[in-house]
Parts: sequence; structure tokens; C-alpha cells
Amino acid sequence: GQQVQQSPASLVLQEGENAELQCNFSTSLNSMQWFYQRPGGSLVSLFYNPSGTKHSGRLTSTTVIKERRSSLHISSSQTTDSGTYLCALALRGSNYQLIWGSGTKLIIKP
Amino acid sequence: AQTIHQWPVAEIKAVGSPLSLGCTIKGKSSPNLYWYWQATGGTLQQLFYSITVGQVESVVQLNLSASRPKDDQFILSTEKLLLSHSGFYLCAWRGQGTNTEVFFGKGTRLTVV
Repeated sequence: GQQVQQSPASLVLQEGENAELQCNFSTSLNSMQWFYQRPGGSLVSLFYNPSGTKHSGRLTSTTVIKERRSSLHISSSQTTDSGTYLCALALRGSNYQLIWGSGTKLIIKP
Repeated sequence: AQTIHQWPVAEIKAVGSPLSLGCTIKGKSSPNLYWYWQATGGTLQQLFYSITVGQVESVVQLNLSASRPKDDQFILSTEKLLLSHSGFYLCAWRGQGTNTEVFFGKGTRLTVV
């Protein structure tokens, strides 16, 4: 089955509201990374977060290994936050393969 | 600071024609290198990885090949493109070790017609 399940698939919010994105994983991980994927396809790295909580401006990432989940919280959302957010789980093993979530399409309305 | 450069930015190629995509990492010695591919509307898949010069491992068979001719260079190629090769190709690197961040290039958009 799927090793990484990302939710929700899409999320529509009003500007100023908070967004909570989640990834659940069913396997042991080396690390978790969160990305924003631009419409053209390129990736913007948001967090490298194998465990614990990290902050960057209005963004917060929390990875709880025991509970096999990682979340991305966006506070006071802005229209420029709209886009696709991806989580990627790095498996244990020599090739360090990243297993990707299916993405959350976030739409922030003005 | 490390930089990763991918070329070309975009390509439109005919079915059956050859392809060569490149990736160069500067400022990091002996990086682990990766090629990823994303079909339109699909999820990213790892195609190849390399942990040292001259050694490349295949993860997914897509009638593509990869080579690492230099420590800082990773090449993705095929002699005959298929329509199914269309998509977005990303090169990535990370440092040695069991728990390190992966960094991505800006990608190449390939359209096979």
C-alpha cells in the first residue's frame, strides 16, 4: 500500500485563515521534507524535518515519528500561499529514495 | 555555497530522437546524485541514483539511462524518445550520511511530440 498519505487533497481558505496539511507514513523513515511546487514544476524547499518542530516565518512543520505523521501549518494565510504542497519521506536504505505524498492543492481566496 | 544547475530548461523533441539532460553541482564534493521524473499530473518518481563517479543505479525502468562522468555531473539520456517520456525532470543532490537534506535543481520540462 501507499507509504505516504497526504491530506487533504485540496483546501480552499479565506485569506487570513490558518491551513493545516498532514502527511502520514507507514514505514520507518530517515527524514521528512516539505516542498512547495511552483506551477512550472520546480520545487521550493520549505522544511527538512526528521523529527520535532521547526518554524520559518508563518510556516511551522512538526514531525512525530512515534505517531508516524508530519504536518505543515500555515498561519494567517495569504493569497500568495496558493499552490501545491508536497511532503517527501526519505526511506532508510542506500539509495535514500524519496517517497512523495500526492500533494495538497491550496487555494487562498482574497 | 552549493549550487545545482540543470540544462536545458525546456525541450520539445520528436518521438525517436535522442535526448540528453544535464545536471552540475558546484561547491560540494562527492555528493549523492539523483534523477526524478514527474509525468503531467503525476507524482515524482526517482529514476536513478549515484553515490560515486562512474556508478549509477536504476530505480525505475523507463527506457532511459544515466551516467556520472565526473564527481559533479549527472547526465540523463536516451537514444530514442517515447511519447511517455514527456514530463518534468528534476536533478537532486544530498551530502553523504544517513540523514541529510535533499536539494533540487530547477528542472527540465520535456515535451515529446
